[in-house]
Amino acid sequence: SQQGEEDPQALSIQEGENATMNCSYKTSINNLQWYRQNSGRGLVHLILIRSNEREKHSGRLRVTLDTSKKSSSLLITASRAADTASYFCATDSQGYSTLTFGKGTMLLVSP
Amino acid sequence: DAGVIQSPRHEVTEMGQEVTLRCKPISGHNSLFWYRQTMMRGLELLIYFNNNVPIDDSGMPEDRFSAKMPNASFSTLKIQPSEPRDSAVYFCASSLAGANSGNTIYFGEGSWLTVV
Repeated sequence: SQQGEEDPQALSIQEGENATMNCSYKTSINNLQWYRQNSGRGLVHLILIRSNEREKHSGRLRVTLDTSKKSSSLLITASRAADTASYFCATDSQGYSTLTFGKGTMLLVSP
Repeated sequence: DAGVIQSPRHEVTEMGQEVTLRCKPISGHNSLFWYRQTMMRGLELLIYFNNNVPIDDSGMPEDRFSAKMPNASFSTLKIQPSEPRDSAVYFCASSLAGANSGNTIYFGEGSWLTVV
């Protein structure tokens, strides 16, 4: 079964606005990663946050992690049309060497 | 770095035919994953290899699916016989080590399979 669940399923915003996507998961994790998928392409790693971290930044990306609520959020600031893609959270757990992905959030950024 | 290379990129086949998907992982990576992506079920892990050995194949749907990794630079996913419900995008991915160490997984561009 899916470990992560992204919310919302779809998000439509204007260029320059911020986009926030949320991810909830069910079991304890070691790390949580966010990936991006452009239409018709493979997934590309964006950022990783470890279970002992609460916030991480990379360029226009900001990720938070709340292990008590088993949730994470991805914030994209000052969005651009090129940010249009699907965004997935992925978790790994103690004893498992694989990543479990959510179903993703489809982000549409209009010029 | 060429990245993870998959072939074919697109395949349309008739029900009952054998389908073979191929993957070349990134050189030096010892973990290889096959995922399947559909609108209904999202991204599902089919099988995970470590050092060419299948470690977790619990996601393989049924006996019609088989995967091999004869060496560190090549893997195949075979469906025989294929059925329309197998239509999906199949991704191969690789990483330096298992994902539970926080290693990044690198995906190929996918093989788009349509079974008619």
